[in-house]
Amino acid sequence: AQSVSQHNHHVILSEAASLELGCNYSYGGTVNLFWYVQYPGQHLQLLLKYFSGDPLVKGIKGFEAEFIKSKFSFNLRKPSVQWSDTAEYFCAVKTSYDKVIFGPGTSLSVIP
Amino acid sequence: DGGITQSPKYLFRKEGQNVTLSCEQNLNHDAMYWYRQDPGQGLRLIYYSQIVNDFQKGDIAEGYSVSREKKESFPLTVTSAQKNPTAFYLCASYKTGTPYGYTFGSGTRLTVV
Repeated sequence: AQSVSQHNHHVILSEAASLELGCNYSYGGTVNLFWYVQYPGQHLQLLLKYFSGDPLVKGIKGFEAEFIKSKFSFNLRKPSVQWSDTAEYFCAVKTSYDKVIFGPGTSLSVIP
Repeated sequence: DGGITQSPKYLFRKEGQNVTLSCEQNLNHDAMYWYRQDPGQGLRLIYYSQIVNDFQKGDIAEGYSVSREKKESFPLTVTSAQKNPTAFYLCASYKTGTPYGYTFGSGTRLTVV
């Protein structure tokens, strides 16, 4: 069965630290990949997406992610986090059958 | 403005009762999805539908049922067979074949007492 895993359940960083959140998926076919963010008390928002082309994609608020097909990974990065980045981050994979599966989420806490 | 409307925002039901959550979109999206969000478990797919009159089970379909009689509407019924129905339910839609992500509804928080 297809699945999405995220490496960390909860990450705590100080402001200005670099961030990398891991995401791996299990599906052998063509995928589209997404990272979503949910700020406290708010709805899910799309951070960035990969459909094809350059495997390094840039999203909003300084986030980027790299698709490594051989590793079935789509890790999210940000060079310098801010307190306002405190949120829950979800990786999602859309299979060729339009089935979209989310990872369990990583809760990020940024300490001022 | 186009979007997805979920109603109601909060719903309380007694144990053993079926309850139907509404999801309507005016985005002309083909595909619609229902997810359940529980603390520490992220979003789990309940059902999804790519076209009218067709839908597929997700990972946790037991105890739920859906219908897709119209492109705009994808109601979810939480039946009495669902063992732990108290959760936050999110509806989403997507235009197949396009490089866009989902559009999410605002969610319905269901509490069964």
